Amino acid sequence: EGQLVESGGGLIQPGGSLRLSCAASGFNVSSNYMTWVRQAPGKGLEWVSIIYSGGRTYFADSVKGRFTISRDKSKNTLYLQMNSLRAEDTAVYYCARDVTYCGVGSCEGTFSDPWGQGTLVTVSS
Amino acid sequence: DIQMTQSPSSLSASVGDRVTITCRASQTINIYLNWYQQKQGKAPKLLIYAASRLQSGVPSRFSGSGSGTDFTLTISSLQPEDFATYYCQQSHSTPPNSFGQGTKLEI
Repeated sequence: EGQLVESGGGLIQPGGSLRLSCAASGFNVSSNYMTWVRQAPGKGLEWVSIIYSGGRTYFADSVKGRFTISRDKSKNTLYLQMNSLRAEDTAVYYCARDVTYCGVGSCEGTFSDPWGQGTLVTVSS
Repeated sequence: DIQMTQSPSSLSASVGDRVTITCRASQTINIYLNWYQQKQGKAPKLLIYAASRLQSGVPSRFSGSGSGTDFTLTISSLQPEDFATYYCQQSHSTPPNSFGQGTKLEI
């Protein structure tokens, strides 16, 4: 089924940069859709970014132009590079594998499973 | 972007109760609707995908239904371990795979 382990979170000043890592075992990061989701303290889940197996990437409007998503096939690891960090980026960041499925007449559904345990990013001076 | 609205935002119930949570999409999403359970301090866990398909290992007291814009998650007989926060998520015309705001299920 696979496992994901995030790392790289911590306390960072506004305007700073941080790179999160998500190490996978049991499946290949490069062969799957991989996603980042975050959760601000006491708040709900917010989708952040996805990288498709073919390499195409998408971002939430709230992080577009500041965050990039990438992967390293040799390390079987997913990354989230976060630049120009703001207080509102403070959250637990989760990585997950997105699995595709079919609905009625099309196969564009995805669900996230498994998830990592999350890593906390705190943006504060 | 597609907006997802869950109701209620919180719900008090007792062990053995039957509970229903609803999720409405701002536009039709076929059956591309997932449900997750999240316990305090833990990562979300997939319960149901494609509106009604139970993820492997999830107890059969959980069920989902709906298509188009209106969906429900039902827990037939609440167990102590079911008290958690539940999120719906759409994956039609992605990205973004937007989530509902969550429903906190409390004793």
